[in-house]
Amino acid sequence: DAKTTQPTSMDCAEGRAANLPCNHSTISGNEYVYWYRQIHSQGPQYIIHGLKNNETNEMASLIITEDRKSSTLILPHATLRDTAVYYCIVRPPSGGGADGLTFGKGTHLIIQP
Amino acid sequence: KAGVTQTPRYLIKTRGQQVTLSCSPISGHRSVSWYQQTPGQGLQFLFEYFSETQRNKGNFPGRFSGRQFSNSRSEMNVSTLELGDSALYLCASSPHREVNTEAFFGQGTRLTVV
Repeated sequence: DAKTTQPTSMDCAEGRAANLPCNHSTISGNEYVYWYRQIHSQGPQYIIHGLKNNETNEMASLIITEDRKSSTLILPHATLRDTAVYYCIVRPPSGGGADGLTFGKGTHLIIQP
Repeated sequence: KAGVTQTPRYLIKTRGQQVTLSCSPISGHRSVSWYQQTPGQGLQFLFEYFSETQRNKGNFPGRFSGRQFSNSRSEMNVSTLELGDSALYLCASSPHREVNTEAFFGQGTRLTVV
């Protein structure tokens, strides 16, 4: 499975955009990039995923570079409730859902009031 | 629509005992996966079930086992508990096994082995 590299922690001011980077330089052409987050003491929550194109939903935007070796998760207007550990995951082409996901250490995003 | 339900939420067991954890997926979801989360190792994949069959397994000893019933509910069992099995056990469900599918996680069962 392709490995991901994320900063250990990041701070962001409330109301500002939070930009979380992820490096996945060994990603294969048919592997998706998924983002989940885990708020303290809760189960992980799905945020967004993409293959090649940029994606946007009600929670966030995902920007994938043209060579697909890195991506950025953007939370457009961060709130205190967005304080969580954010995981960038490269989804292997087999299986689906939560099958065989490799969670790294993630980025601990702290939203400052 | 109810989310993924895990029971019990908290559990304390003694070394050497066995334990069974339960997971009820979202209605209509057929894939159930289990994860172990510890401070040292983070989130680690245990196994995945689909249509009552184990489809994938992580790198855990045989003391960890599971099963899925015809209504997609799943149980996992840990036998001969060790102190190191203390962890948050998370269950996740998804509608099917397509690669382009998000997963929905439960709140987890916090197991403490003493």
